[in-house]
Amino acid sequence: DAKTTQPTSMDCAEGRAANLPCNHSTISGNEYVYWYRQIHSQGPQYIIHGLKNNETNEMASLIITEDRKSSTLILPHATLRDTAVYYCIVRVAMAGNTGKLIFGQGTTLQVKP
Amino acid sequence: DSGVTQTPKHLITATGQRVTLRCSPRSGDLSVYWYQQSLDQGLQFLIQYYNGEERAKGNILERFSAQQFPDLHSELNLSSLELGDSALYFCASSAAGTANTGELFFGEGSRLTVL
Repeated sequence: DAKTTQPTSMDCAEGRAANLPCNHSTISGNEYVYWYRQIHSQGPQYIIHGLKNNETNEMASLIITEDRKSSTLILPHATLRDTAVYYCIVRVAMAGNTGKLIFGQGTTLQVKP
Repeated sequence: DSGVTQTPKHLITATGQRVTLRCSPRSGDLSVYWYQQSLDQGLQFLIQYYNGEERAKGNILERFSAQQFPDLHSELNLSSLELGDSALYFCASSAAGTANTGELFFGEGSRLTVL
């Protein structure tokens, strides 16, 4: 699985959009970008994933650059409950048997009042 | 609620002892994953089982072992415990077949403290 690089920490004002970048310059054509988050000592939570098109769900939007070497997770209206560690993970999604996730250090997002 | 159940939630034991952590995956999920999270190591993948068979192995110590039973629940056995084994242990499960989106569902973890 390709390696990812994320900033160690970021701040965001409550109610504003949080834009979390991720660099994955060695991504392969069959690798997806996944985002998870972990709120203090809870189990990690899936947010969103994508291959090459931008994706949106009820939690967030995922913007992947055309060359797929980087992506941005967007939380459109951050709340205090979005304070968490956000992990960007690149991996192959295999039908029938999902592979393990390898977590890096992630980005600690602090949403401030 | 992810649907993944882990027990016990908290466990305190002494060095040299042995403990068993239990995980019940979401109904119908065939894959179970175990992760360890200590303060200085982040989330470390330990091992994956798929329908009772070991599928992938990570940084799991020889003192640790796991298995997945026919009813798909899994147990992680930690023996000869050391202070450094104090950590949060997470179990996750994932769907198989056409329901697979590559998403892992994590339990709330078992916090192990070794004194």
